[in-house]
Amino acid sequence: DAGITQSPRHKVTETGTPVTLRCHQTENHRYMYWYRQDPGHGLRLIHYSYGVKDTDKGEVSDGYSVSRSKTEDFLLTLESATSSQTSVYFCAISAVAGDGQPQHFGDGTRLSIL
Amino acid sequence: QQQVKQSPQSLIVQKGGISIINCAYENTAFDYFPWYQQFPGKGPALLIAIRPDVSEKKEGRFTISFNKSAKQFSLHIMDSQPGDSATYFCAASTRGATNKLIFGTGTLLAVQP
Repeated sequence: DAGITQSPRHKVTETGTPVTLRCHQTENHRYMYWYRQDPGHGLRLIHYSYGVKDTDKGEVSDGYSVSRSKTEDFLLTLESATSSQTSVYFCAISAVAGDGQPQHFGDGTRLSIL
Repeated sequence: QQQVKQSPQSLIVQKGGISIINCAYENTAFDYFPWYQQFPGKGPALLIAIRPDVSEKKEGRFTISFNKSAKQFSLHIMDSQPGDSATYFCAASTRGATNKLIFGTGTLLAVQP
């Protein structure tokens, strides 16, 4: 299995609080992605990174920010959590882009916002 | 806007039967079509993938059939086993610098013994 660690694995918090999720990889892959998974929607891309300090928005980026200060770490922040952000969040990594290089996923963080 | 439509939402198959999951896409720029398998509590894992220059790809009991003109592709699981019970996602992406995947909504497969 690809060396991807997501933390925390579970979190319960209240509306309006800031939340940061961490994705750590040991594969030295250049590309990292954050998805959210919701019933009836599959997985939807929030943000992605194509290198240290290089990030861009995905299809559902509103309310989320990311940072990547080191190759191995990609952080997802909810500045002021809302109940609509209750979801399971997955991090993925990819060695290179193009030619359909596979993305490898972590085991997710289940986030509940009350 | 759902760019990749997946059906059925759920599927029950008897052990030894054939499981078929279908996906349709809209963006003709898509040129990579992977299928992911996800077990409860785990992240999705790549199962098999195809490019539009071939009409079929087979790996063991898993086969992707691809129809470029109809913009459809499907996953066939032959001799389905209880261990195949999982959620399956089709996806699509375009060749380029970011490899962003667009996922279908998923199919929950239950293989009954």
